[in-house]
Amino acid sequence: NAGVTQTPKFRVLKTGQSMTLLCAQDMNHEYMYWYRQDPGMGLRLIHYSVGEGTTAKGEVPDGYNVSRLKKQNFLLGLESAAPSQTSVYFCASRPDRGHSPLHFGNGTRLTVT
Amino acid sequence: RKEVEQDPGPFNVPEGATVAFNCTYSNSASQSFFWYRQDCRKEPKLLMSVYSSGNEDGRFTAQLNRASQYISLLIRDSKLSDSATYLCVVKPDTGFQKLVFGTGTRLLVSP
Repeated sequence: NAGVTQTPKFRVLKTGQSMTLLCAQDMNHEYMYWYRQDPGMGLRLIHYSVGEGTTAKGEVPDGYNVSRLKKQNFLLGLESAAPSQTSVYFCASRPDRGHSPLHFGNGTRLTVT
Repeated sequence: RKEVEQDPGPFNVPEGATVAFNCTYSNSASQSFFWYRQDCRKEPKLLMSVYSSGNEDGRFTAQLNRASQYISLLIRDSKLSDSATYLCVVKPDTGFQKLVFGTGTRLLVSP
């Protein structure tokens, strides 16, 4: 049971380049989330999804897009990367039970130069 | 006021010590509470959920104080391996699936 898997683990982009981060979960969870973590800022929610075909904005959605075409996958896209998007990105999922915790992937370290 | 606030620390304690962290939350309707542990450059991992009556898991005890809107984590008999950042996580209400993270409290346990 792999849990939540993120790819890639590391990436360096130049300003203006685009990329997609993939998150896959094999726990049949309804809810999936993308967070970014920066020093001193804690984890901040970028976008989330409450089910296949649905997405919603979190607290820092600008510059990112997401898609949830299949229940097990949640993709995070950067159309035109900026240095301010240098961060560690975590995907997480949880089942649709009220008090269930988040399960995290092991993160993607992105550097934009 | 931030939705979830934690003292960033670091808390420096010797092995065997007892240490406690608090976390305050602003939304009185918050429904779910968790403590996560995060090691340097790794993903957060669930340490324990926090129940209304308080709960214990080995050396770890979590408490919820709804009147004062805070949760606490007590670690007894600290081990070197307890050195990490402890994140407080709150689900603000029933209708929205967002979970809000505190910025974490860093714990350093020394020999």
